[in-house]
Amino acid sequence: GQNIDQPTEMTATEGAIVQINCTYQTSGFNGLFWYQQHAGEAPTFLSYNVLDGLEEKGRFSSFLSRSKGYSYLLLKELQMKDSASYLCAVSSSNSGYSTLTFGKGTMLLVSP
Amino acid sequence: GAGVSQSPSNKVTEKGKDVELRCDPISGHTALYWYRQRLGQGLEFLIYFQGNSAPDKSGLPSDRFSAERTGESVSTLTIQRTQQEDSAVYLCASSLESYEQYFGPGTRLTVT
Repeated sequence: GQNIDQPTEMTATEGAIVQINCTYQTSGFNGLFWYQQHAGEAPTFLSYNVLDGLEEKGRFSSFLSRSKGYSYLLLKELQMKDSASYLCAVSSSNSGYSTLTFGKGTMLLVSP
Repeated sequence: GAGVSQSPSNKVTEKGKDVELRCDPISGHTALYWYRQRLGQGLEFLIYFQGNSAPDKSGLPSDRFSAERTGESVSTLTIQRTQQEDSAVYLCASSLESYEQYFGPGTRLTVT
């Protein structure tokens, strides 16, 4: 099975940089996703990493190290609207099925 | 060009009743997922459909839960003899193969 760990809560101030870590244990790894979920809303896609290294997309970047079972999401120039839950999700392929397992999410609170 | 839609958006039912939740995926998406999200919790995988393959039902919590999908179109999640612990938001997502999942708005189920 899969085991995904990420911090429960984080706080940061507007304009700052925050890094949300995610560690995982899985077999048949074939990619890691980060999703953003605002309260009462469905998750929306942020990033996808399948190879080691950093993927940058505007204010958001995501890093993956497959050998360490580790990823992080980096948010720069934080804005109040970035207050949300950030979900790390691991895609794995076993027995012909490819499934996505979500962590419990990291609730980020951005304060003025 | 519509996204994933789900109905109803809200459902209140009495304990012991059966409920049926509907998901219309994005046209052309071969994969369809159902998740459950209890208040303040992460996403819990329920079931996964991929094309015409047999579904991965490994996440269904009990035999009261079942789901069907007609080809690569609409899916229904049925919960029989509902219990209070079934109260949650039920999210449906679709994707092309195992790539980025697009989530519907969810159905909020309340069992009284």
